[in-house]
Amino acid sequence: QLVLTQSPSASASLGASVKLTCTLSSGHSSYAIAWHQQQPEKGPRYLMKLNSDGSHSKGDGIPDRFSGSSSGAERYLTISSLQSEDEADYYCQTWGTGFNWVFGGGTKLTVL
Amino acid sequence: EVQLVQSGAEVKKPGESLKISCKGSGYSFTSYWIGWVRQMPGKGLEWMGIIYPGDSDTRYSPSFQGQVTISADKSISTAYLQWSSLKASDTAMYYCVRGIAAADAFDIWGQGTMVTVSS
Repeated sequence: QLVLTQSPSASASLGASVKLTCTLSSGHSSYAIAWHQQQPEKGPRYLMKLNSDGSHSKGDGIPDRFSGSSSGAERYLTISSLQSEDEADYYCQTWGTGFNWVFGGGTKLTVL
Repeated sequence: EVQLVQSGAEVKKPGESLKISCKGSGYSFTSYWIGWVRQMPGKGLEWMGIIYPGDSDTRYSPSFQGQVTISADKSISTAYLQWSSLKASDTAMYYCVRGIAAADAFDIWGQGTMVTVSS
């Protein structure tokens, strides 16, 4: 079964960097994912698509501070030079064969 | 600018029907999939189903099959999500999304439609 696992929460200081993790279920380590950001009281926004080899393509207007990387079944979102507006929920998403889209449970990022 | 614009918030009673909409602009509406995503209050994102407006091919998540109906009118670049008999548990924010392909990321989000079902 295709499942994405995310830590419920993370925190980092203003100006620092943070690395969020999304883990693919067993047997799905070659899958690409997407990262989405949901700021408080707003709808989600597409950040990037991240492939298993670490290559990624970002959405329009996404700052260079956002980057992605991969290792095995893990997919990472790194945010550098944290700003207050980066405080948000971050969701990973993947897709299987046969019309099956899956979201992770989300990570709530607090900027200290 | 590529965007999806959804219809406004709705307040309904249990048992009532409802159809909400999502209008695409700035791109070829018939060349991309349009999906629907539910977010219950304080919860995460759940994929409900998806339609290809070019030929109306529609697929549902098993969790939502039979509970909702997805449709599209390509002549006005609009997709729809409808319920025939709402329940209190349908209270949620509903987002439409653009799917890059049949097996790919969602790259554009609508602003969301809040549906409240209460007696």
